[in-house]
Amino acid sequence: DAGVTQSPTHLIKTRGQQVTLRCSPISGHKSVSWYQQVLGQGPQFIFQYYEKEERGRGNFPDRFSARQFPNYSSELNVNALLLGDSALYLCASSLVLSVNTGELFFGEGSRLSVL
Amino acid sequence: LAKTTQPISMDSYEGQEVNITCSHNNIATNDYITWYQQFPSQGPRFIIQGYKTKVTNEVASLFIPADRKSSTLSLPRVSLSDTAVYYCLVGDMGRLTGGGNKLTFGTGTQLKVEL
Repeated sequence: DAGVTQSPTHLIKTRGQQVTLRCSPISGHKSVSWYQQVLGQGPQFIFQYYEKEERGRGNFPDRFSARQFPNYSSELNVNALLLGDSALYLCASSLVLSVNTGELFFGEGSRLSVL
Repeated sequence: LAKTTQPISMDSYEGQEVNITCSHNNIATNDYITWYQQFPSQGPRFIIQGYKTKVTNEVASLFIPADRKSSTLSLPRVSLSDTAVYYCLVGDMGRLTGGGNKLTFGTGTQLKVEL
């Protein structure tokens, strides 16, 4: 079975540009979460979507937005890119809303470099 | 979410047992303890989760004392391929609050396994 897939795997943008990252969860998983991982640090929670509704938001500016589609895939959008947005963006899916009853499965991430 | 403290790095040799301890003095009644493993440029991978006493699966054991203020991840007979960053996470994972998962990762423990 396919795991969580993310695209693109690598991309380079310049300051002020906008970027869209895509995620396909494991088949049957209805929850998708986004995390930002800066080099040398652990992943930081950005958003969680469940059944196409936002169910959680981390401490990130409004430049960050996301959505989930009827097929449970998701997009993360970042506007007005800053140098500090350079990071590995991870998508994770789970079968249910919470992970007490299931595991959280991460994709391999999208590496964003902002120049 | 309860803050966690774990060693920044650990070194070991192939075939040895490795124990990584995590402190979480402010753990709440509803909190679960979860460990993830992460290789470079990959997403974290779920290892084990527990609430109290001992949990064992095919890859690791998790020991949680009665006061639950710490936990120990035990990796039996490590190999070179176990070289990775290990994260300890504590939280209610949204099970009771319905708020979904908002995993909070620290900086993790860099485990290096040598021949």
